[in-house]
Amino acid sequence: EAGVAQSPRYKIIEKRQSVAFWCNPISGHATLYWYQQILGQGPKLLIQFQNNGVVDDSQLPKDRFSAERLKGVDSTLKIQPAKLEDSAVYLCASSLVQGNSPLHFGNGTRLTVT
Amino acid sequence: RKEVEQDPGPFNVPEGATVAFNCTYSNSASQSFFWYRQDCRKEPKLLMSVYSSGNEDGRFTAQLNRASQYISLLIRDSKLSDSATYLCVVTGGGNKLTFGTGTQLKVEL
Repeated sequence: EAGVAQSPRYKIIEKRQSVAFWCNPISGHATLYWYQQILGQGPKLLIQFQNNGVVDDSQLPKDRFSAERLKGVDSTLKIQPAKLEDSAVYLCASSLVQGNSPLHFGNGTRLTVT
Repeated sequence: RKEVEQDPGPFNVPEGATVAFNCTYSNSASQSFFWYRQDCRKEPKLLMSVYSSGNEDGRFTAQLNRASQYISLLIRDSKLSDSATYLCVVTGGGNKLTFGTGTQLKVEL
């Protein structure tokens, strides 16, 4: 089975610029997650979708971050404008069932904000 | 108190040693528990789920203690290839999956 696909793998931008990340989950996985992982820390949930609806976005900095999953499959995460502290790896994951089944992660996008 | 807490380590152990990590969680209603392994600059990968009765997969044993609200991971006969960060994951309210900060293991010759 094909895994979770993410792009780009790496991105370097200057602060105040905007950036977008893309994720294609495993086919048939209804739940999609975006995590932010800062070096030396565990992944932090930014947003969780169930099909095309948002289940949890309580830790998403909504003044600068946005995410969508319009057709319940692919998802994009956008940051506008970026800050230095947004430098991190952005991980997309999907699961078959919400909460009780394991997550399958993509390779992640490593963002550096200068 | 953090939702999920782990000792960050690093745990430096010789090859062949037995090592154990604990992970405590704050939400007594949590239902699902997992251990993930993360290699340097890679994505986390599922190591094993943790069942109420405890479970074993080769050299790895996971246990759940609901009364004290912690899960544990025991690795026997450590290999160099076991060197990684071990993340515990706990479901909380609304089936939200919360990661610990990870415990770093270094297995040495």
